[in-house]
Amino acid sequence: DAMVIQNPRYQVTQFGKPVTLSCSQTLNHNVMYWYQQKSSQAPKLLFHYYDKDFNNEADTPDNFQSRRPNTSFCFLDIRSPGLGDAAMYLCATSRAGNTDTQYFGPGTRLTVL
Amino acid sequence: GESVGLHLPTLSVQEGDNSIINCAYSNSASDYFIWYKQESGKGPQFIIDIRSNMDKRQGQRVTVLLNKTVKHLSLQIAATQPGDSAVYFCAESEGYSTLTFGKGTMLLVSP
Repeated sequence: DAMVIQNPRYQVTQFGKPVTLSCSQTLNHNVMYWYQQKSSQAPKLLFHYYDKDFNNEADTPDNFQSRRPNTSFCFLDIRSPGLGDAAMYLCATSRAGNTDTQYFGPGTRLTVL
Repeated sequence: GESVGLHLPTLSVQEGDNSIINCAYSNSASDYFIWYKQESGKGPQFIIDIRSNMDKRQGQRVTVLLNKTVKHLSLQIAATQPGDSAVYFCAESEGYSTLTFGKGTMLLVSP
């Protein structure tokens, strides 16, 4: 059974049109992460939530926002997608913190036209 | 932060061979290391991890070796199968810091 679920798996948006990606988890993990992964590159952390505590990476553009309304769900909002934001977006969870194993979802492939 | 890198971008092996994927890290204070397998179009899948108080850990067909002296991490896959073909990432963290991923090695297994 899927433990970290991402919807949709493929998302197409237009340049400048806001888009929201969603992630849910059945693991009851405290920490949820959003990564951006471009072709042939390593995942790059955008931000993470430790419970309700939001932690933004210093180089994450302001164009990217996140919401975590409850333990199970976390959303990635891209306010004005640019062509450079086309990528795979990965959600991950860990039980209690950064020293615990992170489990990844299948990712959402974002295309910006 | 400090970087984690891989020596070989692509490794090609024959089915049944043993594979070794290497990773160099630069942060001598890193205390947690993890290997992920990522198949095309999918999210990274946890393979095995190791903490700095160990130098070897074994799983099913996989072994991770940690050499803190030279800051080197390796993943050994025994009897490599076509289904092992994927990109493999090492990642490391120090204390409660977030994971830093290496650049990835593509493993190609020929039947």
